[in-house]
Amino acid sequence: KAGVTQTPRYLIKTRGQQVTLSCSPISGHRSVSWYQQTPGQGLQFLFEYFSETQRNKGNFPGRFSGRQFSNSRSEMNVSTLELGDSALYLCASSFQQAGELFFGEGSRLTVL
Amino acid sequence: AQSVTQPDIHITVSEGASLELRCNYSYGATPYLFWYVQSPGQGLQLLLKYFSGDTLVQGIKGFEAEFKRSQSSFNLRKPSVHWSDAAEYFCATFNSGGGADGLTFGKGTHLIIQP
Repeated sequence: KAGVTQTPRYLIKTRGQQVTLSCSPISGHRSVSWYQQTPGQGLQFLFEYFSETQRNKGNFPGRFSGRQFSNSRSEMNVSTLELGDSALYLCASSFQQAGELFFGEGSRLTVL
Repeated sequence: AQSVTQPDIHITVSEGASLELRCNYSYGATPYLFWYVQSPGQGLQLLLKYFSGDTLVQGIKGFEAEFKRSQSSFNLRKPSVHWSDAAEYFCATFNSGGGADGLTFGKGTHLIIQP
């Protein structure tokens, strides 16, 4: 069974640009969550999608958004990038909401 | 809101020695508790979880953890560490009401293995 796949693995952007990150969950998993990991703030919850609906959202500005498609694949978008958005963005999937999470290897974003 | 505290930022252990990583949680009801491990440049791998029942849970790679409600703790243990255990370890929780705030992670403990 393939694990959680995130693309791209690494990317570099400049301030003001926007970025879209993709996540393919484990087959059969309907819940996809996104987390931001930085050295200063650690791991922070961004949002969770379940059956194409955003169920929960963390404390991040509106520049951070996401969506989930009918095949459970998810994308997150960050607009008007700031230097502080440089981070490892982790996607996790689970069979049900509030279930065991399986993480991808992450997308490392560097904002210059 | 729930919180997780990992008091030790770094821990150094000799290969073959025993290991205990501390985790304290703050939550009124019975929490769901997890330990994850992250190797450099990688995502997080679940080591073990506690939802209910037996308070001593066994995980992968020879790890175990004990839930102690009286101490609000969920410490991770391993009787004999291997050099490959060097990594970052995260304790995490979310409430049994559905994880409205997602997983709440501790700041992590960096494990260093001495030869």
